[in-house]
Amino acid sequence: AQSVTQLGSHVSVSEGALVLLRCNYSSSVPPYLFWYVQYPNQGLQLLLKYTSAATLVKGINGFEAEFKKSETSFHLTKPSAHMSDAAEYFCAVSHPSGSARQLTFGSGTQLTVLP
Amino acid sequence: EPEVTQTPSHQVTQMGQEVILRCVPISNHLYFYWYRQILGQKVEFLVSFYNNEISEKSEIFDDQFSVERPDGSNFTLKIRSTKLEDSAMYFCASARDGNYGYTFGSGTRLTVV
Repeated sequence: AQSVTQLGSHVSVSEGALVLLRCNYSSSVPPYLFWYVQYPNQGLQLLLKYTSAATLVKGINGFEAEFKKSETSFHLTKPSAHMSDAAEYFCAVSHPSGSARQLTFGSGTQLTVLP
Repeated sequence: EPEVTQTPSHQVTQMGQEVILRCVPISNHLYFYWYRQILGQKVEFLVSFYNNEISEKSEIFDDQFSVERPDGSNFTLKIRSTKLEDSAMYFCASARDGNYGYTFGSGTRLTVV
């Protein structure tokens, strides 16, 4: 079975500061990993994905994440936070075998950006 | 950029009534999904659909739920007899194949009263 743990349900950073959102996964086989962002009253937008290629993945809006197998982690970072980054962020894991895959989501991290 | 379209954006229904949530996936996608998010909780998998049949379903997807792709473009989720606990945001998603992240729709907020 797969699972995702996001440490910190709420994270606050100052504008211009580093953003670090933590995600640890559990999977019996190499996983595919995703970060999604959800703005208020909107759907889930894919930020970036890891699908067994490069371990450092760059996404939209200046975000990136690094897959670390030894730590079973896929933390999301951004060097400098903008006010527009305030949203909820979800880490998700997908099993790579089988036909139609299922995403297992973490509980989400609400990011607040302070002026 | 292609989008997954969901209608309606908000649906209010009385307990015990049937509701149909509609989705138009991206046209060249082959895999279709429904997820739901109860307010303040995780996004949960409901069902996946491929080659005109259900591939996987979760424990949440009981006999009250059904999915259909009636005309090759729409993908619907039907709840036969809604319960208060069915109140949630329902997301449709589609994928070109099994190796890529899904594209999610903007969701339908279902409120059962």
